[in-house]
This record gives sequence, structure tokens and C-alpha cells, in this order.
Amino acid sequence: TQLLEQSPQFLSIQEGENLTVYCNSSSVFSSLQWYRQEPGEGPVLLVTVVTGGEVKKLKRLTFQFGDARKDSSLHITAAQTGDTGLYLCAGVGNRDDKIIFGKGTRLHILP
Amino acid sequence: EPEVTQTPSHQVTQMGQEVILRCVPISNHLYFYWYRQILGQKVEFLVSFYNNEISEKSEIFDDQFSVERPDGSNFTLKIRSTKLEDSAMYFCASSEEDNRQGSPLHFGNGTRLTVT
Repeated sequence: TQLLEQSPQFLSIQEGENLTVYCNSSSVFSSLQWYRQEPGEGPVLLVTVVTGGEVKKLKRLTFQFGDARKDSSLHITAAQTGDTGLYLCAGVGNRDDKIIFGKGTRLHILP
Repeated sequence: EPEVTQTPSHQVTQMGQEVILRCVPISNHLYFYWYRQILGQKVEFLVSFYNNEISEKSEIFDDQFSVERPDGSNFTLKIRSTKLEDSAMYFCASSEEDNRQGSPLHFGNGTRLTVT
């Protein structure tokens, strides 16, 4: 069974600080998506990464797909209170095309 | 921007009752999905639907579950005889192309189902 482990589970930091959250697996994924979910709402897609080693930037957010396509990271520069939310990664299995979600990292940015 | 809409936002039902959760996917999307998220747990895939038939389903999607696209706009999830463990947030999603090929999922805001 493919699993996506996200770490840390919870992160609370001051506004202005930098942070990195991780999405790891022992399995290879053909693509990986990052979503942000706010309370009472559905997940909203942030980015899709497809190629091993790929780096994508979305303003202050930098997403990287590992060379072996087994892991990914999300780095936020100068975090803002509006970044608060649950960050989910979702991977498409390389062998069976099944999509699985990680449990998410709950991020809280303090003013 | 077009969005996926779900109704109701909250449904309370008694164990053993049937419930129908409703979704209106984005109009030009071809693939439709149901996911659920038990409180504090991860988002779990239930079923995908394309060309008026189920294209994939998970182990969770047993005989108690069914999906239907009764007309050109609605996509429904029916739970025939609800159990306590069906209590969860149910998300509908749609995508232009197959999400397994990387086409992003657009989620609704979910229906919170509480089974008592």
C-alpha cells in the first residue's frame, strides 16, 4: 500500500519566518499535487509537479519534487498570517494510477 | 471563477437511513469524484466517474454506496443505509481531464454528514 507521510503534522511559527514542510513516501509517483485546505472548505490546488527534480514557485511558495519522484517539499518564505491552513500533498501512483492524500501539515502563522 | 457546489452543507441522519449528497460540478469538466475526510484523518478517495459510469472505486465504496448523474448538471452520492462510521466530511470534486494524468481537482466545500 502506498503511503504519503507529511511532516511536521503541526507547525506554529511567527509571521515573517521561513518554513519547510515535507511529503515523503517509499513509492514512486508519476505526479504530485499540493493543496491548501481552510476550515469548512474543500482543498484548493496550489501546484502540480511532474518531473523529478522539478521546482515550481508560486509567489513566496517554492515546491520541489524529489529527483526520484518519491518525495516533495514546500518552502514558504516570510510567512504571513494568510498562509495559515492545512497543506495536503496528493500523489498519483506510478504503477496503479491511484491517487492518495497525505494527512496534511496544519500550519498556523502567528501575527 | 466557476466552482463546484455541494448541498446540503450539513446533514444529520439516523443510523440505517438513506442519504443523498448532491453536487454540481464545474460545467465543462468531464471527470467527477467523491472523497471523504473523517475528522482529523486524511482525505480518502471513494469513487471517480466518467462518461456516465464509474471509472474507479476504492475499498470504502462498497454496496452501500452508489453514484449517479441524473441529468446534465448534478452528480449525487447515495448511502443506502448509513452507519455511525459514515460520519465524515464528503467532498465532491471535478476535473477537466483525468486527475490521474495530472489534471487538477476542483473541490466543493463539502457536506458534513453526521450519523446518530
